[in-house]
Amino acid sequence: NAGVTQTPKFQVLKTGQSMTLQCAQDMNHNSMYWYRQDPGMGLRLIYYSASEGTTDKGEVPNGYNVSRLNKREFSLRLESAAPSQTSVYFCASSEFGPAGEQYFGPGTRLTVT
Amino acid sequence: AQSVTQPDIHITVSEGASLELRCNYSYGATPYLFWYVQSPGQGLQLLLKYFSGDTLVQGIKGFEAEFKRSQSSFNLRKPSVHWSDAAEYFCAVGAPGGGADGLTFGKGTHLIIQP
Repeated sequence: NAGVTQTPKFQVLKTGQSMTLQCAQDMNHNSMYWYRQDPGMGLRLIYYSASEGTTDKGEVPNGYNVSRLNKREFSLRLESAAPSQTSVYFCASSEFGPAGEQYFGPGTRLTVT
Repeated sequence: AQSVTQPDIHITVSEGASLELRCNYSYGATPYLFWYVQSPGQGLQLLLKYFSGDTLVQGIKGFEAEFKRSQSSFNLRKPSVHWSDAAEYFCAVGAPGGGADGLTFGKGTHLIIQP
């Protein structure tokens, strides 16, 4: 049972480049989330998907887009990367939204130069 | 909107000593409350959660937390820490039935264990 997987683990981009962070879960969870973690800031919600086919903005959505491809997969896209997007990105899933435990992936460390 | 405050950025405890990590929240009703632990370079793992009922909840790895409505607090405790408990600890709050469907996290407390 892999849980929540994320690819890649590390990425370095130049300003203006684009990339997609991939996330997949094998627990048949309805809800999926993307967070970013910055030093001294905790985790902040970027986007979430309450169920397949729906997505909504979180606290810090600017500069990002998401796609809930199917029930398993939830991707995060940076169309034009900026140094302010240097961060560690975590994907998570839960069965019942905030009422249930969120299971986190191992994270993607992104550096934008 | 809900918010979470973890007043202590760093805490140093001797191995074998007791531990208490503080968490205060702001929310109009009783929220869902969580404590997560993050080891270096890892994702977050749930230690325990509170939804309703008994205000003292037990979690994994010997941790417990107590919900105190009057103080808007959900402090994490452990009677005797082990060197492997050194990690970052996050308190989080979820809004039952409304608001963004994610969790609001505190900024974390970094736990250092002295031998």
